[in-house]
Amino acid sequence: DQQVKQNSPSLSVQEGRISILNCDYTNSMFDYFLWYKKYPAEGPTFLISISSIKDKNEDGRFTVFLNKSAKHLSLHIVPSQPGDSAVYFCAASVRGDMRFGAGTRLTVKP
Amino acid sequence: NAGVTQTPKFQVLKTGQSMTLQCAQDMNHNSMYWYRQDPGMGLRLIYYSASEGTTDKGEVPNGYNVSRLNKREFSLRLESAAPSQTSVYFCASSELGPPLALHFGNGTRLTVT
Repeated sequence: DQQVKQNSPSLSVQEGRISILNCDYTNSMFDYFLWYKKYPAEGPTFLISISSIKDKNEDGRFTVFLNKSAKHLSLHIVPSQPGDSAVYFCAASVRGDMRFGAGTRLTVKP
Repeated sequence: NAGVTQTPKFQVLKTGQSMTLQCAQDMNHNSMYWYRQDPGMGLRLIYYSASEGTTDKGEVPNGYNVSRLNKREFSLRLESAAPSQTSVYFCASSELGPPLALHFGNGTRLTVT
């Protein structure tokens, strides 16, 4: 059973606008949540993380929000750039066991 | 720095054949992982090794075995390949402790016919 779900397979936004990628999880024991970015023919690369004791973490254009009561997290990219076009994976971990969502393909149009 | 290196990049096997996927990291990380990526399924954890000398099953371990040869190397073995094991396999490593940001290799694309 998938403990981490990304319900939107794809998202298209205009350059300069905000991209919002969403993720839901079912296991309340997860203690860290992460976002990874993946380009074709490469492995995923770590983008940003958040501890379960926080509700927001910001790093430059990227902000992750965590709503524990709703078991929901989101990644905001502002402003979006064409180079942000990639597949974004949400992940959640507990004691070394990291589970991933199915990914959302983001396309940023110039 | 090479980071995480996986070999081979591509492999085609016939059903029933065996093979070992190799992974090595040069970042002195303690933990290493094997994932498989299938369309619509994301990345699923096969096995992980939290530290040298230990291995644990992940979400989808059936049909696979692993060996943590030393701190640098973590191999994944398919004893009798099946078409359901057609996938892209990623090895990753991380330092101990949260947030467990994984460093991935570029993957091995395996096809079992």
